[in-house]
This record gives sequence, C-alpha cells and structure tokens, in this order.
Amino acid sequence: GESVGLHLPTLSVQEGDNSIINCAYSNSASDYFIWYKQESGKGPQFIIDIRSNMDKRQGQRVTVLLNKTVKHLSLQIAATQPGDSAVYFCAEKGAAGNKLTFGGGTRVLVKP
Amino acid sequence: GAVVSQHPSRVICKSGTSVKIECRSLDFQATTMFWYRQFPKQSLMLMATSNEGSKATYEQGVEKDKFLINHASLTLSTLTVTSAHPEDSSFYICSADTGYNQPQHFGDGTRLSIL
Repeated sequence: GESVGLHLPTLSVQEGDNSIINCAYSNSASDYFIWYKQESGKGPQFIIDIRSNMDKRQGQRVTVLLNKTVKHLSLQIAATQPGDSAVYFCAEKGAAGNKLTFGGGTRVLVKP
Repeated sequence: GAVVSQHPSRVICKSGTSVKIECRSLDFQATTMFWYRQFPKQSLMLMATSNEGSKATYEQGVEKDKFLINHASLTLSTLTVTSAHPEDSSFYICSADTGYNQPQHFGDGTRLSIL
C-alpha cells in the first residue's frame, strides 16, 4: 500500500490578505524555475515561471522573486481568495536537462 | 494551449492485473514526456522519462519491467503497470515537456487502487 506521508507545511491566510510561499533550491546550475498549484485529486497546474537572468516576474495576482545568491525562490499571491487553497510546489529545471526537480510543497488554506 | 490529457482518472482492480495509463498532448507535440508517482502529502517523484521513438529512461530504483513505457507518437505516451500489487497503489501523473526554459504541463493524474 501507500506509505504514510509527511505533513506538508501549511500556510493559513485570511481571505483578502497576501500570501508568501518560500522555496529553497540546492543546485546553483539550475537556470529556470516554475511554480505549480495542485488541487486535491488533480495534477499540478502551471502558475508562473522565471529564468535565472531575472529576479522578479509578475503575473495576474502573483509575483515570483528569485534570489540566486541564497538560492531562494518565493511566490506572492495578492488578495488571496478561497480558490487559491491548494498545495504549491516550486520546481527547478536546467541542472539535469529537461527534468524538473520539485520542492516539498506548501499547503495554503484560505480562511473566509 | 499546452493541454495534457490523462486517462483513466481512476482504476480499481484486483492484484495481478496489468493496468495501462495513457497520456496525450492535445494541442502540441511532445518529444519528451515524464511519468511521476505521488504519495499522499508528498511531492512528485519522477519515475521515468519517456522519449518518442526510443526507450524510456528510468530513475534509480524504478523497475523497468514493472512499469512499461511506450512513446510511439509525438502526442501519446503510455505507462503499463504490470502484474500490479497493493503496494503499486498510488497517484500516477504524466507531464509533457514544451522545450528549453519552458514548463512541463501535467495531466490530471490517475488514482490506481489495487485490491
């Protein structure tokens, strides 16, 4: 059967507030980073990406920040809504060709 | 654009059965597709890289004779779990690569339950 999983870190946020999700990556050779959103029972959904020659990129209500010095990536969600409740994964690409290396994930719970 | 369809979404079958899962890129061609396995409350674990027209590349610890991968066209990869047993029960997810410095796009997964 399936193994017992570790508990994902959880971020509880009030509806309307901003959310910040953090991710540390290990490979300094990675040159492309992606944030995915995964709702229960579904596959990961692409949110936003950033290349290593940038330190900030904005989308609709989302902003990704990249700090290559400390190998840190963050996702900011503005005015968090109930539909934003999901597990968020960062992923890096480039160190091993076209494979993705995923972070551990953060669960976001939006309180009404 | 970049839609990936995975089928079936759920399978329940008896131990010893072989199960085939399909992954299709609907509006683009995918030279490379990937198969992942995900346990509850965990991240995605890469099982293998599916290459169109050639053999799949398996990650360490993944049995290639257990998890057969076929990528016969630029829009279809299949994963067959052979002689499935309860320990093979899991959530299997496929993705398709869209190029250098481009994201992988994922199917909606297949929940496999072996009784």
